[in-house]
Amino acid sequence: DIQMTQSPSSLSASVGDRVTITCRASRSIRNYLNWYQQKPGKAPNLLIYTASILQSGVPSRFSGSGSGTDFTLTISSLQPEDFATYYCQQTDSTLLTFGGGTRVEIK
Amino acid sequence: EVQLVESGGGLVQPGGSLRLSCSVSGFTFSSYEMYWVRQAAGKGLEYVSSISNNGGSTFYADSAKGRFTISRDNSQNTLFLQMSSLRTEDTAVYFCVKDSGYSAYGRFDSWGQGALVTVSS
Repeated sequence: DIQMTQSPSSLSASVGDRVTITCRASRSIRNYLNWYQQKPGKAPNLLIYTASILQSGVPSRFSGSGSGTDFTLTISSLQPEDFATYYCQQTDSTLLTFGGGTRVEIK
Repeated sequence: EVQLVESGGGLVQPGGSLRLSCSVSGFTFSSYEMYWVRQAAGKGLEYVSSISNNGGSTFYADSAKGRFTISRDNSQNTLFLQMSSLRTEDTAVYFCVKDSGYSAYGRFDSWGQGALVTVSS
């Protein structure tokens, strides 16, 4: 199985802050990396696919980068509605795996 | 509008069985690979199983292999997950998930609301 490691596991930030979340794969996954946002009690929502492509309807303050084993999700200016948990997911292997999640909290 | 509605969750004893269903609408079900993803309370997301659009190919996480069976009825626009030999660690919300289509394996663009499965004596 491909292991996905996210860091940090949680962070505190203020509205307007630039936030970066990293995700590392245990072996190269090329650019087969997606990012999801999940709010409490809700299903996850796709933000970024293929490492850097913004899903339709997702605000442009979200961006993704990386390839191989190292990836980042950046929120350029944190908004109140962005406080949530974020997950990376690899799709290079048929056996899909997710990172452990990064909880973004209000400072 | 794409809709995925899970049903069949509930309380079951360890060693028991349960069948989840997911009724879908708003898209051509028979054209899409479908998935089950679960989430234990306060924990992260875990892929469980997937099935090709025609049902000819299925895949399972190691945790589900040999105990769970994914299937679909394209005539009824319904996805199933038959779970047997359930363990306490299978307790979770189970999401029915659709991907974005051709060349988008695992790109989850639509999710159901989830069905809670509780395995406890």
